[in-house]
Amino acid sequence: GQNIDQPTEMTATEGAIVQINCTYQTSGFNGLFWYQQHAGEAPTFLSYNVLDGLEEKGRFSSFLSRSKGYSYLLLKELQMKDSASYLCAVADSNYQLIWGAGTKLIIKP
Amino acid sequence: GAVVSQHPSWVICKSGTSVKIECRSLDFQATTMFWYRQFPKQSLMLMATSNEGSKATYEQGVEKDKFLINHASLTLSTLTVTSAHPEDSSFYICSATMGSFHEQYFGPGTRLTVT
Repeated sequence: GQNIDQPTEMTATEGAIVQINCTYQTSGFNGLFWYQQHAGEAPTFLSYNVLDGLEEKGRFSSFLSRSKGYSYLLLKELQMKDSASYLCAVADSNYQLIWGAGTKLIIKP
Repeated sequence: GAVVSQHPSWVICKSGTSVKIECRSLDFQATTMFWYRQFPKQSLMLMATSNEGSKATYEQGVEKDKFLINHASLTLSTLTVTSAHPEDSSFYICSATMGSFHEQYFGPGTRLTVT
């Protein structure tokens, strides 16, 4: 079956760095997405990785290793507004997104 | 660019009635639109995929006669929850893709409460 695993919840301190991991097993691979979702709101796009390596975009970076079925989202200089759920999703061979359950990130002052 | 709207943003209805939710791509033509449901503290659950002018493809376990999807144009898809029950109360989110890129642009969601 298809499976996306990510931690349920993480806590970090304002100004610090946090890494959210995602492992996946899917039938085919056409890219991995990270989305941010604040409570009661729809997800917003953060990043898309289809090749191995690190993609940096401001305070957020996303890494992919296709051979390991592994990705992480790195958030630097954490701000209180970064408190949200972070969803990992993989596009399978049919380009259908398989979603992880999301990681709730709690930022403490 | 790539804005998707949903209407209404929230709705309360009585058990047994039907509710229609609209999803519009405002500044692009969406080749495909998706409908998701999300229960509290759970991830998105894909309900169906729809392409303009053709019948929607429903995920396993989703009743197509209960959740009617119409995709009349490249910018509009509607989801009608028929004979709604309290267990249908959820956050319904649509998304749309354009061209060949598979990033989905999400609407703001519709919170449905069935009393």
